[in-house]
Amino acid sequence: ETGVTQTPRHLVMGMTNKKSLKCEQHLGHNAMYWYKQSAKKPLELMFVYSLEERVENNSVPSRFSPECPNSSHLFLHLHTLQPEDSALYLCASSQEAGQGADTQYFGPGTRLTVL
Amino acid sequence: AQRVTQPEKLLSVFKGAPVELKCNYSYSGSPELFWYVQYSRQRLQLLLRHISRESIKGFTADLNKGETSFHLKKPFAQEEDSAMYYCAHNDYKLSFGAGTTVTVRA
Repeated sequence: ETGVTQTPRHLVMGMTNKKSLKCEQHLGHNAMYWYKQSAKKPLELMFVYSLEERVENNSVPSRFSPECPNSSHLFLHLHTLQPEDSALYLCASSQEAGQGADTQYFGPGTRLTVL
Repeated sequence: AQRVTQPEKLLSVFKGAPVELKCNYSYSGSPELFWYVQYSRQRLQLLLRHISRESIKGFTADLNKGETSFHLKKPFAQEEDSAMYYCAHNDYKLSFGAGTTVTVRA
């Protein structure tokens, strides 16, 4: 599959569970991003990785833990989440981070529900 | 704080009527502005960016530095234009406005 893929597409978890979201990009990009999209707030940037190094952590609670083992893969590890963390989590990639006019390509998202 | 503002959450127009989505920014210097669109059951995708000065699907957006605006316009809306539209600024990371849901009615 081309572009940016995310798995799973839907996830329901309890507050004591540990789960991981996976993102993979097939575009040869060097930068990857996690966003949170909820009904109550605009798209919120969570993390930015450039060449597998985290370059931005947008005041995200520690119950969200990102991992970027290589430039094609990005994970978001989840543990002891709260119901208010229920949202659509979007992954995106771009050729480089920090480029003013660099287009970002988004995955389809993972719909997360925390019970 | 630097930000992007989309004052309209919802916008409803009739097919064939003009549509304008407002976007204002508060960044200094030369902003890099984009419009992203999310159609129903599709992923968020780039619609257009100001540096390209292009028209995509009949939409145009002009950067007005005097008014600090980047409004999106289309002279004749189509039903397939119904979607969520986000204005965004990219100065290292994308900062999105709250989005405007457009409904084009027959």
